[in-house]
Amino acid sequence: DAKTTQPTSMDCAEGRAANLPCNHSTISGNEYVYWYRQIHSQGPQYIIHGLKNNETNEMASLIITEDRKSSTLILPHATLRDTAVYYCIVRVGGNFGNEKLTFGTGTRLTIIP
Amino acid sequence: DAGVTQSPTHLIKTRGQQVTLRCSPKSGHDTVSWYQQALGQGPQFIFQYYEEEERQRGNFPDRFSGHQFPNYSSELNVNALLLGDSALYLCASSLLAGPTDTQYFGPGTRLTVL
Repeated sequence: DAKTTQPTSMDCAEGRAANLPCNHSTISGNEYVYWYRQIHSQGPQYIIHGLKNNETNEMASLIITEDRKSSTLILPHATLRDTAVYYCIVRVGGNFGNEKLTFGTGTRLTIIP
Repeated sequence: DAGVTQSPTHLIKTRGQQVTLRCSPKSGHDTVSWYQQALGQGPQFIFQYYEEEERQRGNFPDRFSGHQFPNYSSELNVNALLLGDSALYLCASSLLAGPTDTQYFGPGTRLTVL
């Protein structure tokens, strides 16, 4: 079973920041938070991951609360191409043996023109 | 740098038949994982191959089997197809013991069982 809880759907205006929340209250000390997204009928695309510090890359920022029980993925300037299903996954990561990804149902983000 | 590739893109089979799906990992990767995604659901883990051996397996029957070749490419075989096997089959590659073991996905193979 997925260890995360996400809203089923969200809308965001084009050009605004999209903030996608994720709850993972049972996360273990060696589990990372991963985010993937899936545009209709394509393979999931890796976005970002983190352990406890906030992370930023060219696609997004990941904010993890101090107690690590929740996180927020931020797309700073959403475009229509960001419309997709976003999956938040907790997983033993780093150099710990390549554990499987357990997907939930994700958040369907729709960017509104 | 080629990413993960899968073939074929689409496939139509009938119940009881057998199917083989293929995956080539991203350059430099040595581990291949397979996932099944039914319509409207998130991907479900089938199994993972490393050094030509299955090292993890999800809750799938023995009808689902796989293979990894010395060049790290992989095949997924499904025997005695059922209507419920209709899904998008995804392959993901990664590096088992590198600085990061992030899995990168291919575009998938859409299997339809009639």
